[in-house]
Amino acid sequence: DSGVTQTPKHLITATGQRVTLRCSPRSGDLSVYWYQQSLDQGLQFLIQYYNGEERAKGNILERFSAQQFPDLHSELNLSSLELGDSALYFCASSEAYRNGELFFGEGSRLTVL
Amino acid sequence: ILNVEQSPQSLHVQEGDSTNFTCSFPSSNFYALHWYRWETAKSPEALFVMTLNGDEKKKGRISATLNTKEGYSYLYIKGSQPEDSATYLCAVGTGYSTLTFGKGTMLLVSP
Repeated sequence: DSGVTQTPKHLITATGQRVTLRCSPRSGDLSVYWYQQSLDQGLQFLIQYYNGEERAKGNILERFSAQQFPDLHSELNLSSLELGDSALYFCASSEAYRNGELFFGEGSRLTVL
Repeated sequence: ILNVEQSPQSLHVQEGDSTNFTCSFPSSNFYALHWYRWETAKSPEALFVMTLNGDEKKKGRISATLNTKEGYSYLYIKGSQPEDSATYLCAVGTGYSTLTFGKGTMLLVSP
């Protein structure tokens, strides 16, 4: 158990809909990362927050947004969903501001029909 | 976007064989290299975090080396066991970018 909690574990929804994925980091970790794992793709970095502030942005679509709350949990919002958004979304946390060891949650499997 | 290449893409060995994988990355502005093991139906777990040129790390039968000047790292598994079957991910961070993952090497160890 990494100490990182992600909900929901599985989510099935329709195109055009909006979903929210939730992540609670390991106790004491200030950094939260979001990654997308699609078929035949590696872990694609989406966005990182550190202590409530956006720290780094990767290949995150404009339809996606995220935030980190004062209690350090984070939410990833995916809107106007398309079939291609179906993927495994991982949250990871780290105590470091940059490039520290990542502790991954179990992931949220999103299926868009 | 940082280009992190891992080879081979997949590997099938017999129990007891030793094996190694490669992670290649641009050597400029290097900050850190991580190796993660990702077993099926689980989440990735860190094996090693390496920052210095010439670093060598070991955990049981698994070891890793780092050459930041030429931009590569090797991961070695001595005497592979079926429980070593997993995807091994390499991630590199630089002074200007966060960790970028390679696509991984999928290892299957047959009894």
